[in-house]
Amino acid sequence: EDKVVQSPLSLVVHEGDTVTLNCSYEVTNFRSLLWYKQEKKAPTFLFMLTSSGIEKKSGRLSSILDKKELFSILNITATQTGDSAVYLCASSGYNFNKFYFGSGTKLNVKP
Amino acid sequence: DAMVIQNPRYQVTQFGKPVTLSCSQTLNHNVMYWYQQKSSQAPKLLFHYYDKDFNNEADTPDNFQSRRPNTSFCFLDIRSPGLGDAARYLCATSRGLEGYEQYFGPGTRLTVT
Repeated sequence: EDKVVQSPLSLVVHEGDTVTLNCSYEVTNFRSLLWYKQEKKAPTFLFMLTSSGIEKKSGRLSSILDKKELFSILNITATQTGDSAVYLCASSGYNFNKFYFGSGTKLNVKP
Repeated sequence: DAMVIQNPRYQVTQFGKPVTLSCSQTLNHNVMYWYQQKSSQAPKLLFHYYDKDFNNEADTPDNFQSRRPNTSFCFLDIRSPGLGDAARYLCATSRGLEGYEQYFGPGTRLTVT
């Protein structure tokens, strides 16, 4: 059964801390892995990863994919209270139009 | 700006009273999806359209139907809403196959009384 598992489920840090969010996947004929940030609204796209070992970076956020070990990490450096959100990981596989979502990691950044 | 629009943002319906949620997009994407997201849970795919081809997820209840009259619009019909159908309904689009990223609308929060 195809699935995506995220850890931890929730995380509390203080401003300025660096966090690493984990996403492991078991998806038949893996095609891509996506990261989204969800506040009290719809998910906002962050990154799409298709190749192993190539880091994608946007400001304080970065992500990398390991297709051998079947996982991805999302790093956030120098966290700010505005980073507080649920971070969702999703993966697509053989059925190209279907994305399997993880349960999300709820990040709470305290001042 | 090109975007995915959902109306209404909040919808209240009565138990058993049919309700329709709408989604439109200006991205000219081929694929449109409907997700159901309950509180503190990941979005759950209900179905999607690739152009006019409808693809229903195996575990989507028959109570949920969809229509896509043209590229820009897609509707989610809930024929007889139950209390368990209260959720946020997210519409998303993607350019096509091969794992393109999905762009989400703001969602419609459905309350069933």
